[in-house]
Amino acid sequence: GEDVEQSLFLSVREGDSSVINCTYTDSSSTYLYWYKQEPGAGLQLLTYIFSNMDMKQDQRLTVLLNKKDKHLSLRIADTQTGDSAIYFCAESEPPSAGTASKLTFGTGTRLQVTL
Amino acid sequence: DAGVTQSPTHLIKTRGQQVTLRCSPKSGHDTVSWYQQALGQGPQFIFQYYEEEERQRGNFPDRFSGHQFPNYSSELNVNALLLGDSALYLCASSGVNEKLFFGSGTQLSVL
Repeated sequence: GEDVEQSLFLSVREGDSSVINCTYTDSSSTYLYWYKQEPGAGLQLLTYIFSNMDMKQDQRLTVLLNKKDKHLSLRIADTQTGDSAIYFCAESEPPSAGTASKLTFGTGTRLQVTL
Repeated sequence: DAGVTQSPTHLIKTRGQQVTLRCSPKSGHDTVSWYQQALGQGPQFIFQYYEEEERQRGNFPDRFSGHQFPNYSSELNVNALLLGDSALYLCASSGVNEKLFFGSGTQLSVL
């Protein structure tokens, strides 16, 4: 079955880069996602990458995918205190006809940004 | 354009009771998925509704049931509540084969 793993905690200083890592097991994954969750809130889609890509950049965010090692990372440049949150990696299988993607999430990485 | 809206935001129930949670999808979306997020965990897929039918289901018991209405809104029902059902229940909407957008969730506490 699918399994997604993340480290639990990361602490960085404001202005530094943050790198959050994720490994997954399902080789049929089509999309891999990064979601952000702030305290008491739902999930905000940050970015995603299709499995035939190896990198995607979106402003301060860079996603790297190593499909051979089933390793995904999210780099946040110039990390700010507002980036403090829990970050979830998720993967989805190809959806069947008439369905939307079903996501499998990791346990989340809590990012703490210190001054 | 309103995003995904869920109600209520918080709910307290006792063991054995039944609960109904509600979700209105983002405008233009016709598919609703429900996820359970226990404290300190990632969300887990419960089930998905499209065209008023359950299309996919995760590893949850039959105590968890749902419904989708003609206007695409959805309800999640949980019967015979257990302490372990305490969690944040998240609704997500999408068009078919499109990305999921999540609501802010309903925090359910079972005492």
